[in-house]
Amino acid sequence: DGGITQSPKYLFRKEGQNVTLSCEQNLNHDAMYWYRQDPGQGLRLIYYSQIVNDFQKGDIAEGYSVSREKKESFPLTVTSAQKNPTAFYLCATRLGGGRQPQHFGDGTRLSIL
Amino acid sequence: DQQVKQNSPSLSVQEGRISILNCDYTNSMFDYFLWYKKYPAEGPTFLISISSIKDKNEDGRFTVFLNKSAKHLSLHIVPSQPGDSAVYFCAASSGTYKYIFGTGTRLKVLA
Repeated sequence: DGGITQSPKYLFRKEGQNVTLSCEQNLNHDAMYWYRQDPGQGLRLIYYSQIVNDFQKGDIAEGYSVSREKKESFPLTVTSAQKNPTAFYLCATRLGGGRQPQHFGDGTRLSIL
Repeated sequence: DQQVKQNSPSLSVQEGRISILNCDYTNSMFDYFLWYKKYPAEGPTFLISISSIKDKNEDGRFTVFLNKSAKHLSLHIVPSQPGDSAVYFCAASSGTYKYIFGTGTRLKVLA
């Protein structure tokens, strides 16, 4: 079954902890993205990657880090430097360049304990 | 500075009637526009897109209209069904890897 898998669905973090959100895809898409959604706001881009071993900062990258060691995987680490991490995090993929839609996973909700 | 705006946070429509969701943009470099539908606690689902060389694109009950001179696009859903109740996001791209999303409009279709 092809798709984008985000895990876990719910995640709790203690103050000062780093946490890593998983995003795996078997669509063979080149590009992968991480977005953050807050209530009443649109999706804001954290990081994106066009190819393996390459990624670029989005609009709100501070306090986050990523890696792209495999085409299928694009994990996001929320570090303790992110002062307001409570949000809904969405991973997306896109096939190649040009004018193509993004496809999204079902998200991870991160909360602070 | 919000480059993509959805000025109506919510919309209610009777079942069977037309739903019209609006989106405005400011960047004239945008040339590809998309609409997504999102249910609570799920990821957005791609609905329909349009490139700037067209002014209309249809897919079943969904039609997107683009008015480049007004920098405005709209999504029409006809007829509206209760299952259409969701948050709708418009997004825009200038042909790069980045997409800019609006803040969403919550559609409620009343039975």
